[in-house]
Amino acid sequence: EDKVVQSPLSLVVHEGDTVTLNCSYEVTNFRSLLWYKQEKKAPTFLFMLTSSGIEKKSGRLSSILDKKELFSILNITATQTGDSAIYLCAVEAWGQNFVFGPGTRLSVLP
Amino acid sequence: DSGVTQTPKHLITATGQRVTLRCSPRSGDLSVYWYQQSLDQGLQFLIQYYNGEERAKGNILERFSAQQFPDLHSELNLSSLELGDSALYFCASSVDRGETQYFGPGTRLLVL
Repeated sequence: EDKVVQSPLSLVVHEGDTVTLNCSYEVTNFRSLLWYKQEKKAPTFLFMLTSSGIEKKSGRLSSILDKKELFSILNITATQTGDSAIYLCAVEAWGQNFVFGPGTRLSVLP
Repeated sequence: DSGVTQTPKHLITATGQRVTLRCSPRSGDLSVYWYQQSLDQGLQFLIQYYNGEERAKGNILERFSAQQFPDLHSELNLSSLELGDSALYFCASSVDRGETQYFGPGTRLLVL
């Protein structure tokens, strides 16, 4: 059965800290891995990763995929209170079934 | 605002009833996805349509069905509702497979 695991499930940091969120997966016919940020409403897209070892960056956020070890990390540097959210990792399999992890709840304190 | 619209925003109904949730994708997007998010099961992919045709199926119950119309809007039909169907139902759209998905604001369904 396809599975996505995220760790930690919950994280509390202070503004300015750097955090690393983890996502590991077991999926048949892997196609891509996606990261989303969900605040109080709908998820918003952060990154799509398809190739190993290529870092994607957007401002203070970056992510990388390791297809050999079946995991991805999402890094957030110089965290701000606005980064407080649930970060969801999802894996897309060929045939386009999407499997989501439980999410990491990040709280950034001032 | 993602450009994806969903109606209604909230829906309260009783067990055994049937409801229809509606989604209008962003202009130009041909793919529509439906997701269910509940407290105990997280976000789950239900089904995807592309230009009117079903593309992929996830954990969609037989009591649920969906379709995408020629104008590309989509409807998710939930029947014989149970208490456990109470959840937030999201629609997302993208230009095509493998492209960024944009989520609508969701429909919150409460089954009493």
